[in-house]
Amino acid sequence: DAGVIQSPRHEVTEMGQEVTLRCKPISGHDYLFWYRQTMMRGLELLIYFNNNVPIDDSGMPEDRFSAKMPNASFSTLKIQPSEPRDSAVYFCASSRWTGLGAEAFFGQGTRLTVV
Amino acid sequence: GENVEQHPSTLSVQEGDSAVIKCTYSDSASNYFPWYKQELGKRPQLIIDIRSNVGEKKDQRIAVTLNKTAKHFSLHITETQPEDSAVYFCAASIKEYGNKLVFGAGTILRVKS
Repeated sequence: DAGVIQSPRHEVTEMGQEVTLRCKPISGHDYLFWYRQTMMRGLELLIYFNNNVPIDDSGMPEDRFSAKMPNASFSTLKIQPSEPRDSAVYFCASSRWTGLGAEAFFGQGTRLTVV
Repeated sequence: GENVEQHPSTLSVQEGDSAVIKCTYSDSASNYFPWYKQELGKRPQLIIDIRSNVGEKKDQRIAVTLNKTAKHFSLHITETQPEDSAVYFCAASIKEYGNKLVFGAGTILRVKS
């Protein structure tokens, strides 16, 4: 398996524009997570899905952020409209339920810069 | 909800010395405790994990200990090498929330040669 695949790797956009980040989890994994990483706030969990269903979106900072998982092999995180304070590295991660907690495999991340 | 605190935020050691990073968690129902290493510009990757039915686990130069009564767990790296320099994150999860991981703030480890 190629691991968790994210695209794009880098995104530079102007304030006010819509940004869509994409993620393909590892095949067979039933959990998918979106994290945001900044120097100030560390690794923040934004939202996670179980079997394509959003379970907890309490980490989504504002209504400008939305996430979908239309099927087991694809998820998107959308920011509309984007703002400079959204600049961060966004990681997608996936894992498979084993009953006792499990390793989360991270994608390479998308470095977002909003100017 | 669960809260994980991690100390210290930065740690500098001489090559060959040991390094210890400590984490505390708030929810006694937590039962899985992984440690991730993130090198500069790369993704976090699991280096070792421990489950609540075990008190200690070792893998070559790294070890993790868990004290369920005190609700804390620690990462121990012996004979540190320059390539151990990275950011280390602890995390915890609770079975009823599935595989959701709550991460600590991270520790920047610098190994000086």
